Amino acid sequence: DTAVSQTPKYLVTQMGNDKSIKCEQNLGHDTMYWYKQDSKKFLKIMFSYNNKELIINETVPNRFSPKSPDKAHLNLHINSLELGDSAVYFCASSHRAGGAWDEQFFGPGTRLTVL
Amino acid sequence: EDKVVQSPLSLVVHEGDTVTLNCSYEVTNFRSLLWYKQEKKAPTFLFMLTSSGIEKKSGRLSSILDKKELSSILNITATQTGDSAIYLCAASNFGNEKLTFGTGTRLTIIP
Repeated sequence: DTAVSQTPKYLVTQMGNDKSIKCEQNLGHDTMYWYKQDSKKFLKIMFSYNNKELIINETVPNRFSPKSPDKAHLNLHINSLELGDSAVYFCASSHRAGGAWDEQFFGPGTRLTVL
Repeated sequence: EDKVVQSPLSLVVHEGDTVTLNCSYEVTNFRSLLWYKQEKKAPTFLFMLTSSGIEKKSGRLSSILDKKELSSILNITATQTGDSAIYLCAASNFGNEKLTFGTGTRLTIIP
């Protein structure tokens, strides 16, 4: 059983398109995150949601819009894709209510390539 | 701005060697230091350290935090080819609930 899953694993698309990445966790966690990992392997937080409420919103272009339909799901929609959006996007989750928000568990990543 | 620096950036050793990876942090209201191992896909959780001087151990891996020096080390003894990965260090703080990651150490174990 996969704890944190993401779809799709790979996404190749043209500049200007709109795409979505989905994330689901079955760990019973209440907080979910989106991270971007660039070509140098640097992981940077983008957003986090706690019980469907946005709690972290880093300086990310507003072309990126997260949506959390429930606490087990966090999706990322990207409008008007640009070349610089090419990266691996990781979803993560943690149990904030238990005081362990920092012990985060990551999904397998979605490699986005914008041509 | 919070910062985490790892060294070395890359390391190549022979199987059986012992390695020490370093992580230093500058984080306001420090809360915890975490180590992750990243092979081809997801970073997998290794350790979370909150108290200075207390070693955490899991098999051949161990880690310790030094709050005075604002640093942590990750030791791997009797390395195996399966230890080849990028090892990521991250720090958290009280307040903004964000993990700040370092750029990682790429470890390669030669058989």
